[in-house]
Amino acid sequence: GDSVTQMEGPVTLSEEAFLTINCTYTATGYPSLFWYVQYPGEGLQLLLKATKADDKGSNKGFEATYRKETTSFHLEKGSVQVSDSAVYFCALIERDNYGQNFVFGPGTRLSVLP
Amino acid sequence: EADIYQTPRYLVIGTGKKITLECSQTMGHDKMYWYQQDPGMELHLIHYSYGVNSTEKGDLSSESTVSRIRTEHFPLTLESARPSHTSQYLCASVSPTGGRAFFGQGTRLTVV
Repeated sequence: GDSVTQMEGPVTLSEEAFLTINCTYTATGYPSLFWYVQYPGEGLQLLLKATKADDKGSNKGFEATYRKETTSFHLEKGSVQVSDSAVYFCALIERDNYGQNFVFGPGTRLSVLP
Repeated sequence: EADIYQTPRYLVIGTGKKITLECSQTMGHDKMYWYQQDPGMELHLIHYSYGVNSTEKGDLSSESTVSRIRTEHFPLTLESARPSHTSQYLCASVSPTGGRAFFGQGTRLTVV
């Protein structure tokens, strides 16, 4: 079945450091890919998405590029802030298959220190 | 932004009690999910629904049950709560266009 793998956390960075959170997936078809973020005490929120190969999703300074050849969707940010401290989930859903469930990675906790 | 709501946000109950966690969305989405979130923050799918009168069990075995009598509501019920049910429960619905998921704020359940 489909699966999503993320780098293990927790990740601890200093403010203004560069962030990369790796995400790779396995899927039988052509999934859409997502990054969700969960701030402390909250539900998950969509951070960015990409629906086809080579698409780049971006939001709030975060970026991720859909790499079909490496089945990856790594999350990056050039300069993190303390307010970016949260848990980040990579996820996929099969395109044009409404009956397919979302598949989430295990989440990566990010802590940014001032 | 999200039009999906969970109640209560926090709940502490005694062992053996019956409880229902509510989840409502106003977006008309057919597909809805319940996830249990473990202390390590990983999400485990426990139930999902394709629409009214449709309910399916997810990947994680759960002693809870769900119902889907109306599109807007997807309540989760524990007939007899146990300390092992202590967890965060997240409800979500999925847009049929683009596949985006909308999550509620979660219910943190503690069974004592």
